[in-house]
Amino acid sequence: GEEVAQTPKHLVRGEGQKAKLYCAPIKGHSYVFWYQQVLKNEFKFLISFQNENVFDETGMPKERFSAKCLPNSPCSLEIQATKLEDSAVYFCASSLQTGRGGYTFGSGTRLTVV
Amino acid sequence: DQQVKQNSPSLSVQEGRISILNCDYTNSMFDYFLWYKKYPAEGPTFLISISSIKDKNEDGRFTVFLNKSAKHLSLHIVPSQPGDSAVYFCAASDLNSGGSNYKLTFGKGTLLTVNP
Repeated sequence: GEEVAQTPKHLVRGEGQKAKLYCAPIKGHSYVFWYQQVLKNEFKFLISFQNENVFDETGMPKERFSAKCLPNSPCSLEIQATKLEDSAVYFCASSLQTGRGGYTFGSGTRLTVV
Repeated sequence: DQQVKQNSPSLSVQEGRISILNCDYTNSMFDYFLWYKKYPAEGPTFLISISSIKDKNEDGRFTVFLNKSAKHLSLHIVPSQPGDSAVYFCAASDLNSGGSNYKLTFGKGTLLTVNP
């Protein structure tokens, strides 16, 4: 499709529970990016993929966050043992090539940790 | 340390007039700059971009100006329309950031309201 599809739109988790977010990039796009937006502030880069390979993971909190992009499956972002500060909107984006000309963003998953 | 700054949280203009949104950056390694527009409950939409080798890029009603010596860029929208009301984010990429070529660093956004 011509849109980046993120599911679910909303996710509520109790502190300490696992959260898993999904992203289907635009068909043919080989780069996938995850960003975190806390309290409508700036977007914080988490991780990027080139096809199924991690391209850049410098923004990932390594202890509890993990992400995958496997062939023929939506990409996923998983947070183990969620904390209150993980509450944010998580945006996925995809592009044909990295960055130049802008990515196409999905509409985000709002994660609320209670 | 905020590398991309949008110092005006909000801006209000009259329909038909010019909107000017400003953005400053501190990282001299940034070589590509983008503007995104965001409506509530939607993801950001790419608007316009500019490479550091240029000082101006125009696309219809939208023009981005880059002043490298001042580390400043601005987005001009003319004429402004009520449908332009949204949050505008400035973003930059750094070709040499440890191999992660094209991750974007965003500002905090400016809410533009265009009044009919």
